[in-house]
Amino acid sequence: SQTIHQWPATLVQPVGSPLSLECTVEGTSNPNLYWYRQAAGRGLQLLFYSVGIGQISSEVPQNLSASRPQDRQFILSSKKLLLSDSGFYLCAWRTGKRLLNTEAFFGQGTRLTVV
Amino acid sequence: DQQVKQNSPSLSVQEGRISILNCDYTNSMFDYFLWYKKYPAEGPTFLISISSIKDKNEDGRFTVFLNKSAKHLSLHIVPSQPGDSAVYFCAASRTMDSNYQLIWGAGTKLIIKP
Repeated sequence: SQTIHQWPATLVQPVGSPLSLECTVEGTSNPNLYWYRQAAGRGLQLLFYSVGIGQISSEVPQNLSASRPQDRQFILSSKKLLLSDSGFYLCAWRTGKRLLNTEAFFGQGTRLTVV
Repeated sequence: DQQVKQNSPSLSVQEGRISILNCDYTNSMFDYFLWYKKYPAEGPTFLISISSIKDKNEDGRFTVFLNKSAKHLSLHIVPSQPGDSAVYFCAASRTMDSNYQLIWGAGTKLIIKP
């Protein structure tokens, strides 16, 4: 069965410090991978998605970047965090098979607080 | 431009009664719709989905209805239970969308009163 791991669960970082959140998927190959952010009281905002190794698409210009060094690994990074980067970050995967409708599966999320 | 809208930020329902959560969309090209449930500090979990070739899909206490002409879908939970208290998101996608994105509503917080 497929599983998705996201860590850390919580993180408190000072303004200006770097960020690295990691997400790995097991039990599937060539998944589509996504990073979302949920700000307090708001919906899910898609930040990045990837349809393959090294292929990253950004949905929202911001202080963050993403990388996919391996097929089932997706990393969210920042060189210098801003206060506005605080939020709940979610990694998700969905099948990479074309024309196949399936649900997306989410990790447990990371609560990032920038102080 | 919000393509998927959940116009009710919150909904309060008595335990044992029916909960009806609504979602509207604007893009007629959407052909697959999903409902997710989310507890605080957790990732969303998939509940139920429906393809545009159907108008109803049922799974236990959960039923999703799709009205394509009105571009509207709803999630019915019967009977409502305390554990159903959570935020519910609807999402939509297009099969032909090469990036396989899900377009999300803003969520509705469901509160089940004992």
